[in-house]
Amino acid sequence: EVQLLESGGGLVQPGGSLRLSCAASGFTYSSFAMNWLRQAPGKGLEWVSAISGSGNGTYYAASVKGRFTISRDNSKNTLYLHMNSLRAEDTAVYYCARALVPAVKGSDFWGQGTLVTVSS
Amino acid sequence: QSALTQPRSVSGSPGQSVTISCTGTSSDVGGYIYVSWYQQHPGKAPKLMIYDVSERPSGVPDRFSGSKSGNTASLTISGLQADDEADYYCCSYAGRYTFYVFGPGTKVTVL
Repeated sequence: EVQLLESGGGLVQPGGSLRLSCAASGFTYSSFAMNWLRQAPGKGLEWVSAISGSGNGTYYAASVKGRFTISRDNSKNTLYLHMNSLRAEDTAVYYCARALVPAVKGSDFWGQGTLVTVSS
Repeated sequence: QSALTQPRSVSGSPGQSVTISCTGTSSDVGGYIYVSWYQQHPGKAPKLMIYDVSERPSGVPDRFSGSKSGNTASLTISGLQADDEADYYCCSYAGRYTFYVFGPGTKVTVL
């Protein structure tokens, strides 16, 4: 059974940093690209970032480029999102999701999400 | 402001069919077959219902179907059931720099 478990969310001040983690199990982790997506309170879904199975390819939404960094540790089956210079508009539930093959098709399994609140 | 356009809400009685439209441009919906649909119940994670415009993942009932014409994709739910009441989001690949774009979501209400 595919399982994705996010952690690391919490309350952070504007301008602060946070690192999210996503522990994956139930599939050959290194064979799949992974995505981070987010959902602001009461709002729709927004794609944030993607990373290839090997970790060599990374992609970012314009809204986070230069501030967020996606990475993965295939030896630990874990996905990360390093978030710097956080803004109030980054407040959202952050989901990690496994990408379909090829990744352009979308995401087939999602974690339950972790809430990030940016506020003073 | 979402890149794709969806109706805010649709409704139907049990057993009826409802269709949700998703309109984009030739740079996303119209330019690729990579349209997907996600169901989200309140407080829950999204669930993939349709990918590649009309393909259903294993376990998704065949009451859910997808199609596309030009820049508009559609999700049809046939034989509406109480558990279908949820938010539905369309998503399209939009090229290697934008990657994925979503619609604002459509709330399906079962009357």
